[in-house]
Amino acid sequence: GAVVSQHPSWVICKSGTSVKIECRSLDFQATTMFWYRQFPKQSLMLMATSNEGSKATYEQGVEKDKFLINHASLTLSTLTVTSAHPEDSSFYICSARDFSGGTTDTQYFGPGTRLTVL
Amino acid sequence: TQLLEQSPQFLSIQEGENLTVYCNSSSVFSSLQWYRQEPGEGPVLLVTVVTGGEVKKLKRLTFQFGDARKDSSLHITAAQPGDTGLYLCAGALYNFNKFYFGSGTKLNVKP
Repeated sequence: GAVVSQHPSWVICKSGTSVKIECRSLDFQATTMFWYRQFPKQSLMLMATSNEGSKATYEQGVEKDKFLINHASLTLSTLTVTSAHPEDSSFYICSARDFSGGTTDTQYFGPGTRLTVL
Repeated sequence: TQLLEQSPQFLSIQEGENLTVYCNSSSVFSSLQWYRQEPGEGPVLLVTVVTGGEVKKLKRLTFQFGDARKDSSLHITAAQPGDTGLYLCAGALYNFNKFYFGSGTKLNVKP
């Protein structure tokens, strides 16, 4: 299957600082990438859809000024958590949409980033 | 209510038993995926189904897509401790640029 990398795999930061997470599709081009947040023992919660060359689409209740998304190329999307607070501590996972097969529409996930805000 | 209803939420069985996980919806999906996730890792794709009535097999795992493309099931035969994990279904709706997830099934296979 397709490979998606995510960096860093974990980060610890002080309250009030900003943290950037990178998501890369390594062997295919992705016009669409997704950012999810996952709480312990729960399913994934979609935060936003990142579209290459245009503004991200945020889900209801997600602050776009707090979670900045940039999708500058077909293989890279970044999520910046601005002025992080302890309640932002979570497991963040990105995925890249692969529609290259024509009829198959699938997303491949990165390994996730564990963010801890002190 | 979620667009994709996944059941059961939790399943604890003995090694060697069979099990089935269901994902149901009133909506029609263009495709549906099944993932398995282990703690602290991203979900790993198991299969994508796109055709109504389609059945796919992956060793001891059998995936079925409903005829109307509104539901899907995952059947595991002779479960092993290595099958333990969180199983997630996700569907793509026509003309919607995102995927909808089920609530997940936490499977624990005891040796």
